[in-house]
Amino acid sequence: DTAVSQTPKYLVTQMGNDKSIKCEQNLGHDTMYWYKQDSKKFLKIMFSYNNKELIINETVPNRFSPKSPDKAHLNLHINSLELGDSAVYFCASSPKPLTSGTRGNEQFFGPGTRLTVL
Amino acid sequence: LAKTTQPISMDSYEGQEVNITCSHNNIATNDYITWYQQFPSQGPRFIIQGYKTKVTNEVASLFIPADRKSSTLSLPRVSLSDTAVYYCLVGSTFDNYGQNFVFGPGTRLSVLP
Repeated sequence: DTAVSQTPKYLVTQMGNDKSIKCEQNLGHDTMYWYKQDSKKFLKIMFSYNNKELIINETVPNRFSPKSPDKAHLNLHINSLELGDSAVYFCASSPKPLTSGTRGNEQFFGPGTRLTVL
Repeated sequence: LAKTTQPISMDSYEGQEVNITCSHNNIATNDYITWYQQFPSQGPRFIIQGYKTKVTNEVASLFIPADRKSSTLSLPRVSLSDTAVYYCLVGSTFDNYGQNFVFGPGTRLSVLP
């Protein structure tokens, strides 16, 4: 009965490879997010989708491409991985977009995917 | 998103009450104050949210003074399992373009036996 799940939990790969991280939520939420948590522990939003449509796209390299086949899934594909991409990536969901307010609109986070690029 | 300031770290002992204060001087009228907790190797988890005065749930209490320029998360009788990072977020809406929605460094609470 996991609310927000991500796979894989750990991902170790070589520079230049292409990899994907999958995310699924069973909460019936309309909005999903990808965050990156770097070594300094700052959590920064990368993307947000609402009902399969991209609504937030922060300054992220084009090598990162989110895909939302339906509103319960938001996958993250990363091309040509670089050393600086090493981080923990969190998927999250909320009932409605954060742009419509935070009252009662808490985010539910997945367990994270630790990506290590060698 | 209103800028927030929290202590970087705090230490406490089991059984004590812990109060973590967050400053948010430029909070807007419509802004709610939300606290999240993050355990090592896990994603953040919602703890509590409030707008003014006091909010209490089974996990914590949130005290917000009348001017709403700060808020205090109160954890009663902490245990070792409360060791985590606590984030204070303030915001109602934010600009899709050009503004990062960022969880700051939070407050790292260490509960000692």
